[in-house]
Amino acid sequence: AQSVTQLDSQVPVFEEAPVELRCNYSSSVSVYLFWYVQYPNQGLQLLLKYLSGSTLVESINGFEAEFNKSQTSFHLRKPSVHISDTAEYFCAVSLPNAGGTSYGKLTFGQGTILTVHP
Amino acid sequence: GAVVSQHPSRVICKSGTSVKIECRSLDFQATTMFWYRQFPKQSLMLMATSNEGSKATYEQGVEKDKFLINHASLTLSTLTVTSAHPEDSSFYICSVAGQGVSDTQYFGPGTRLTVL
Repeated sequence: AQSVTQLDSQVPVFEEAPVELRCNYSSSVSVYLFWYVQYPNQGLQLLLKYLSGSTLVESINGFEAEFNKSQTSFHLRKPSVHISDTAEYFCAVSLPNAGGTSYGKLTFGQGTILTVHP
Repeated sequence: GAVVSQHPSRVICKSGTSVKIECRSLDFQATTMFWYRQFPKQSLMLMATSNEGSKATYEQGVEKDKFLINHASLTLSTLTVTSAHPEDSSFYICSVAGQGVSDTQYFGPGTRLTVL
């Protein structure tokens, strides 16, 4: 079975500072990796995902994450955060099915609350 | 991506009553939907996988007779919490499974259930 560990439950930062939210996973087989964001009183939204190919993936709002197979990590980074980035961030994994595509079950990490202060 | 709605967004009920939560895929025919619950300050835990036209698959530890799931059409899945108790109070979230290489789940906004 796979598992996901987000090492920091809360990360406070000042506006325009860089941030890294850490995510490590455990799996005996290859996985797909995701970062979801949950703004206050809203549902989860996909931020970015890694399925295959380039290990560095980017979102439209400046976040990026790098898949590191040797360290089984998928850390999320942003070079300069905004107040509007304040939210809870979830790392998740799923297993590809035999066909190479997957709409399988997601296993989530515990979540990291990012709070951006002015 | 797919647009997913849930109804109601909030519900308060008395202990012992049943509550039905709807999950609708507004622009996508979903053969598979997932139901999660999220306790305060905790992560999402998968409860069950809802398959259109067949019985749902429940995760270990989830009582299928308590959490009834019906996926009668490609756009609607319902979760009924039967004989609700205060410990069932939680945030219930559904998602619609994408298909293909772009593989993504699209989440509904969630339903906050409070059992008094």
